[in-house]
Amino acid sequence: GAGVSQSPSNKVTEKGKDVELRCDPISGHTALYWYRQRLGQGLEFLIYFQGNSAPDKSGLPSDRFSAERTGESVSTLTIQRTQQEDSAVYLCASSRSSGRGGEQFFGPGTRLTVL
Amino acid sequence: AQSVTQLGSHVSVSEGALVLLRCNYSSSVPPYLFWYVQYPNQGLQLLLKYTTGATLVKGINGFEAEFKKSETSFHLTKPSAHMSDAAEYFCAVTDTGGFKTIFGAGTRLFVKA
Repeated sequence: GAGVSQSPSNKVTEKGKDVELRCDPISGHTALYWYRQRLGQGLEFLIYFQGNSAPDKSGLPSDRFSAERTGESVSTLTIQRTQQEDSAVYLCASSRSSGRGGEQFFGPGTRLTVL
Repeated sequence: AQSVTQLGSHVSVSEGALVLLRCNYSSSVPPYLFWYVQYPNQGLQLLLKYTTGATLVKGINGFEAEFKKSETSFHLTKPSAHMSDAAEYFCAVTDTGGFKTIFGAGTRLFVKA
């Protein structure tokens, strides 16, 4: 069956440009997460969507970061006016369960490089 | 705020030796704890989890972990390492308020022949 997909797999951009990253979760998964993984570091929580509830945006590092989700499907993470410190792998995960013990299924990530 | 500490960013063992990857957490409420594994050039996948009930949890590929509340630990073990176990391992805990998941910095496991 189809897993979580992300696009693009790699993105190289110039400092100051905006980028949009896409995540397609597993069908039927109500929960969706975005994480950032800098080189040699762990996963940093960015944002969480659960059904039609208001998203938990507490991990977004600045107002240059925003994310949207259409219903229980596709999500986009937008980074405006990119900076070099935004360079990282951005991971998306989805979960079937609405409880906090649910397994998260991860996508392959988008590697963002800001020159 | 909850946090996760993984002791040792790199661990090296010989094939057939015991694997022990350490994880300590802080939480003001009973935690839900997870171990995820990231094999080279693959996405993260769940290895095992503790929610409630039995404190010794068995996962895939012969791994297990024990939740010790008194030590605030959730160490991952495997009796005998295999070359295919070489990967990065992440310990995680869910947030008290809902579903935010806090990950540790990861431990990269090397297995020597």
